[in-house]
Order: sequence, then structure tokens, then C-alpha cells
Amino acid sequence: DQQVKQNSPSLSVQEGRISILNCDYTNSMFDYFLWYKKYPAEGPTFLISISSIKDKNEDGRFTVFLNKSAKHLSLHIVPSQPGDSAVYFCAASANAGNMLTFGGGTRLMVKP
Amino acid sequence: DAMVIQNPRYQVTQFGKPVTLSCSQTLNHNVMYWYQQKSSQAPKLLFHYYDKDFNNEADTPDNFQSRRPNTSFCFLDIRSPGLGDAAMYLCATSFSPAITDTQYFGPGTRLTVL
Repeated sequence: DQQVKQNSPSLSVQEGRISILNCDYTNSMFDYFLWYKKYPAEGPTFLISISSIKDKNEDGRFTVFLNKSAKHLSLHIVPSQPGDSAVYFCAASANAGNMLTFGGGTRLMVKP
Repeated sequence: DAMVIQNPRYQVTQFGKPVTLSCSQTLNHNVMYWYQQKSSQAPKLLFHYYDKDFNNEADTPDNFQSRRPNTSFCFLDIRSPGLGDAAMYLCATSFSPAITDTQYFGPGTRLTVL
């Protein structure tokens, strides 16, 4: 039973436009959410996170939105750049612990 | 640069033949994690060490074991690999088990079982 789902396996966006990556979760105990980015032949790297006490967190071109009632979060990248092309994983944790439950990932392709 | 290193990057083993995957870190982190990621699926936490304390996830098969002889190294042992154990194995570290401490991942070892 997947507790964290990324329903879009891939997304293609034009350079300069907004990329929106979505993530849904089912476990209401999750209270912290993270996004990781993964380039080929490299391990995932942390991108941005959000606590369940917030509904938005911003870091430069990256913004994460959390809708607790819908159990949904999204990552917005504005403007998208070709270097953003990677696989993006959503992850969640419960009780402030570092045991992460990952989604299956979304491959983002930003076309020049 | 401080980092998480996994050796080998590619490992081929035979069905039922024990195999060991290695992870080392220069970050001096207290926690080391092992994840299994099957093709196009989510990385799944197998277990983690907090210092010398071993913590197994409830659904991790007994076929998977781990050792942490010192702070820098952690090993994943698969006692009798099956075809279903073919996957990418990711090692990660964090300073503490608190969610506010970022996990740093190695590049992974891709295991093939023949």
C-alpha cells in the first residue's frame, strides 16, 4: 500500500515556464514533507521541505505548497531551467523522525 | 569534499550466493540508512543504524542484514539473493534521527541477480 504517491511519472516543460510536480499521501500521521532531486548516476539530494504547521515554503525558484485537508503537496519551480531536468521524489515522515516514506518519483524534462 | 561513497557501483551475483554491499561516509554522521529501490519504484527504507543501535523496518525480509563496524562504514549483507532482490541499493546518512537533519545519499549500488 503506497502511502506517498506521485501519479505523474513524467513531465515536460518549456524553459522559463512553471513546473508543477504533485504528490499525494494517505497517512494522516505524516507531519513533515520533503522533496529530493536526483540526477542520473547520482544519489538523491535534498531540495526543500515543509512542516505540517505551514502551508507554503519558498526557497529561491522553488516553492512547496501543502494542503493538509486534501493530503496533497506540490512543488513549483519558476522559472524552469534545463538544469532542473531530473527525477523529483516526494517524501514524508511522521512524529518528527527521519524515517522517510518516498513516492515513486516524477521525471522532469525542461526543454530549451 | 565530505561525501557518502558506495562500492561497488554495480554488483552482479548469482541466485542464492551471498553478497555484501558497502557504504562509507566522511561526514561523521551518527545515522546511516539503507534503502532499496526497485525499477521505477519509490526508495524503500530497509533499516538504519543510530550509532551502534540497529533499527530494522518491520517488513524488511530476514534475508537482509546489516553491519556497522565503525562510524564511517556500514554494510548490507544479502544472505541468499533471489531474483526479486535485484534493485538499486541506496545508502544515506544524517547527523541525527531528527527530521530537521538532512539525509545525504550515496550514488547507489545496482545489484543484478542472475
